[in-house]
Amino acid sequence: ETGVTQSPTHLIKTRGQQVTLRCSSQSGHNTVSWYQQALGQGPQFIFQYYREEENGRGNFPPRFSGLQFPNYSSELNVNALELDDSALYLCASSALEPANYGYTFGSGTRLTVV
Amino acid sequence: GESVGLHLPTLSVQEGDNSIINCAYSNSASDYFIWYKQESGKGPQFIIDIRSNMDKRQGQRVTVLLNKTVKHLSLQIAATQPGDSAVYFCAENIRFGNEKLTFGTGTRLTIIP
Repeated sequence: ETGVTQSPTHLIKTRGQQVTLRCSSQSGHNTVSWYQQALGQGPQFIFQYYREEENGRGNFPPRFSGLQFPNYSSELNVNALELDDSALYLCASSALEPANYGYTFGSGTRLTVV
Repeated sequence: GESVGLHLPTLSVQEGDNSIINCAYSNSASDYFIWYKQESGKGPQFIIDIRSNMDKRQGQRVTVLLNKTVKHLSLQIAATQPGDSAVYFCAENIRFGNEKLTFGTGTRLTIIP
């Protein structure tokens, strides 16, 4: 059983640029959630994707968007990067089924905006 | 709004001793709680979870206690080891409803050799 994999592991971008982060979900999981973790803080929910559609969104502006693909993998896109977007971006996959309820996190992508 | 907080931001424990990390949650509708361990440069690693119909659950060297009356959650780690040094987060969730996890800011546990 493979875990959650994220790419790239590290990324440096310039303010105003756009970035795409990728996530492959754990085998058997059909739902992907994205979280932003600023230094010294707990992860903050960005949004969740289920059946290729957004299934809940946190308090993040529209320049944060995502996709989920038929194989349940997902992308997080951030446009018009700001310095405050510098953070660890975490992907979590889940099954959201009674017998298998739970979330598995990847190791994250460390994004630095300069 | 929803929030999950922790009583102590840092905790130092002698190797071999037991440690207790506490967490307060505010959303009485939450019915699923998870403890995660996060080491530097890594994503949160699942430790143990508990559903609201339980008040105690045990794993290997870890025990989670849930007190719904006072909205309090704790993680007990027995016979701590150097590898237990990390930041520990509690998270709350409403199963099959609001699917997001709400995390606290974390407690940094340091095991003193």
